[in-house]
Order: sequence, then structure tokens, then C-alpha cells
Amino acid sequence: QKEVEQNSGPLSVPEGAIASLNCTYSDRGSQSFFWYRQYSGKSPELIMSIYSNGDKEDGRFTAQLNKASQYVSLLIRDSQPSDSATYLCAVPSGTYKYIFGTGTRLKVLA
Amino acid sequence: GAGVSQTPSNKVTEKGKYVELRCDPISGHTALYWYRQSLGQGPEFLIYFQGTGAADDSGLPNDRFFAVRPEGSVSTLKIQRTERGDSAVYLCASSLSAGAVIDTQYFGPGTRLTVL
Repeated sequence: QKEVEQNSGPLSVPEGAIASLNCTYSDRGSQSFFWYRQYSGKSPELIMSIYSNGDKEDGRFTAQLNKASQYVSLLIRDSQPSDSATYLCAVPSGTYKYIFGTGTRLKVLA
Repeated sequence: GAGVSQTPSNKVTEKGKYVELRCDPISGHTALYWYRQSLGQGPEFLIYFQGTGAADDSGLPNDRFFAVRPEGSVSTLKIQRTERGDSAVYLCASSLSAGAVIDTQYFGPGTRLTVL
């Protein structure tokens, strides 16, 4: 079993819709979780971090964490074509080593 | 500088050659990380520095790979006897300090290495 799993996609949503990106992880001891956005040919850019169970909102982005189910998700409301990118879930192993999923490619259709 | 910088942005080399990739972290960040990203994959951890010392090099694929950070700032990733399988984007990241509960890593633009 991979340590961090994501559906590679592509996930296609129409402009203005909600995009839902999911990530599961295997280490029950994980305390912090990060979502990065990566445009084609560019480096990962931090979108959100979450540490506590529940929802965390930042503008159009909402991260959801359920530690019991070992599941973290990212919702993007009012999706825009500029949101089209690969979204990477990162879970620290220990206190510094990030384990990344393969990423989910999101396509927002105008 | 304002962000993590990496040079060169692109490096094309021939099989068997030696290459050096450089990373300049965000000023004041004591923790520095190297990752490697192959097409269609997420970044894969290579090595972590806290200050000048390599605290964890467990991700280095083999002894052809080596990294240094002599003054606790700029780091160089060195690859000897390059192989075609080494072709990837090499990403550097830095954070204020590893070991904190909240430890956000900021990534540089990467170096795309192509081994012919």
C-alpha cells in the first residue's frame, strides 16, 4: 500500500463548479497535511495546510481532514480555468520528510 | 532572496558525466531538502539538511548521489557517472526549521536534468 494515495485523474469540472480532490494516507500518526498546486512545468506551490480534524477554509479553498478515516480532501469552489493544474497531497513522515501522492490533475472547462 | 532559487534551470548531459545542481534557500531558513520528481509522479524525498549537516540522506538512490551544504545556506547536489534513469526534475525546498509541528516547505523552480 502506498503511503499517500491520490487518484491521478484527470478530474474535469465545468467552470463555476466545485472540484473535490481526495487523498488517503497510511500513517495514523501523521499530524499535519499539506496541499500543493503544481502548474505544468512549474514547482509545487503551497495552497493550504491542515492539522486538526474538520474543515479549514481559505477563500475558495476548503481543506477537510478526517484522521479516523485517514482521509484529507481539498474542495475548490467556483472553479476557474486558472485552477487547472496538478494538486499534490503531502504528508510529513516524522517531522520533516514529506511523502507526496502522485497528484490529481484537475481540468476546469470554460 | 525572496524565494528558493535553483541553477541551472535546465541541464543536458551525456551518460557517464558528472553534474552539479545548486540550491539557494530562503534567507534564514535552516532546513533544506532535495526532492526528485519524475514525469507523472509526486516529488520523492532525497536528502534533508539541518544547518550544515545532512540529517537524513536515506532517499539518495545510490552512492553516485551526494549533497553538501558547507556553510549552512547554499546546497549542491552532485551526481557522478550519470545514467539515463537520473533524468528528472530536481527540486529544492527550504523551511524555517524542521521539527516544528508546523513546518511548511517552500519549493524552488527546479532543475530539469536530461541525461542523453
